Amino acid sequence: DIQMTQSPSSLSASVGDRVTITCRASQGISNYLAWFQQKPGKAPKSLIYHASSLQSGVPSRFSGSGSGTDFTLTISSLQPEDFATYYCQHYKNYPLTFGGGTKVEIK
Amino acid sequence: EVQLVESGGGLVQPGGSLRLSCAASGFIFSDHYMDWVRQAPGKGLEWVGRTRNKANSYTTEYAASVKDRFTISRDDSKNSLYLQMNSLKTEDTAVYYCVRGGSIIPPPFDCWGQGTLVTVSS
Repeated sequence: DIQMTQSPSSLSASVGDRVTITCRASQGISNYLAWFQQKPGKAPKSLIYHASSLQSGVPSRFSGSGSGTDFTLTISSLQPEDFATYYCQHYKNYPLTFGGGTKVEIK
Repeated sequence: EVQLVESGGGLVQPGGSLRLSCAASGFIFSDHYMDWVRQAPGKGLEWVGRTRNKANSYTTEYAASVKDRFTISRDDSKNSLYLQMNSLKTEDTAVYYCVRGGSIIPPPFDCWGQGTLVTVSS
């Protein structure tokens, strides 16, 4: 199975900050990498697929990059509604697996 | 508007069975792969399994933790997805989400239901 490792597990940031979250796959997954946002008590929301493509309706302050084993999610200017937990996930083969999550908290 | 609405969750004893349903609307259900993802209380996301679309013979894939206990099926005529859960264990306690696969192959997840809570306890 492919293991997905996210870092950091949590971070504190202020509104307007640039935030970067890293996701590493235990083996190469090409660009079959997605990112999700989850707020407390809510279902996850799909943000990015194919490592860098934004899902419809996702604000342009979100961006993704990477290929192979190393990926990043960047929020260019953190907004109040962005405080949430973020998960990466690969979909190269089975089983599909998620990273452990990164909680973005208000500083 | 794409909608996925899960139902069927509840309290069940260890060793028992439960069937979850997901009603889909707002898109051509038969075109899409569909998945189940779960989240134990206070924990991260875990993929449960997938059913492919008609064009791919409705074949299924499962996580090792549920294989041979859970069965995913679909009824395209009813725009519905199902998860039959047998031999339930306490560690199956989680919110179960119905998730749509996108229209490209391999399909990334693009839409999620609101989830239904399954509690396995005596």
